[in-house]
Amino acid sequence: DAGVTQSPTHLIKTRGQQVTLRCSPKSGHDTVSWYQQALGQGPQFIFQYYEEEERQRGNFPDRFSGHQFPNYSSELNVNALLLGDSALYLCASSLGRSSGNTIYFGEGSWLTVV
Amino acid sequence: QKEVEQNSGPLSVPEGAIASLNCTYSDRGSQSFFWYRQYSGKSPELIMFIYSNGDKEDGRFTAQLNKASQYVSLLIRDSQPSDSATYLCASAPDSNYQLIWGAGTKLIIKP
Repeated sequence: DAGVTQSPTHLIKTRGQQVTLRCSPKSGHDTVSWYQQALGQGPQFIFQYYEEEERQRGNFPDRFSGHQFPNYSSELNVNALLLGDSALYLCASSLGRSSGNTIYFGEGSWLTVV
Repeated sequence: QKEVEQNSGPLSVPEGAIASLNCTYSDRGSQSFFWYRQYSGKSPELIMFIYSNGDKEDGRFTAQLNKASQYVSLLIRDSQPSDSATYLCASAPDSNYQLIWGAGTKLIIKP
């Protein structure tokens, strides 16, 4: 049973560039959430996708956008990268709309902006 | 502003002792609570979740929830050096889809 998979695992980008991160949810899960975790901080909710729609969004600018595909996989796009976007980006999958369901995290994508 | 507060630590505990990690939350509407363990450079790993007031035990781990005091704790019995990690507490508000996270407590188990 495949868990949550994310790619790429590490990447370095230059300020102003754009990045796309990818996530495949755990088998049987239909909901994908994205989190940003800066060093020494807890994860911060970016947004959640369910049935290919953005269900809810956290306090992140429009530079952060996403998509969910019919097979439930998801992408996170960040435009006009800033140094402060350097962080671990976590994808979490769950079954159903409620955050009360247990969620499972992927190994994350480490983004460094230079 | 819905918040989850944790002492950042580090909390140092001798091997074999009980480690006690604490967390408070501000949103009385929160219904479920999660404890995650995160090793350096890795993603969070779910240890336990708890919905009801009282204690919930799983092996060496016990989660405690007191909704009246808005307090959640995690006890680790017979602490092992492999338990050294950052422990993240998260709450799930009933009317919301996101998890609210604390910044984590760094736990060090000394051999």
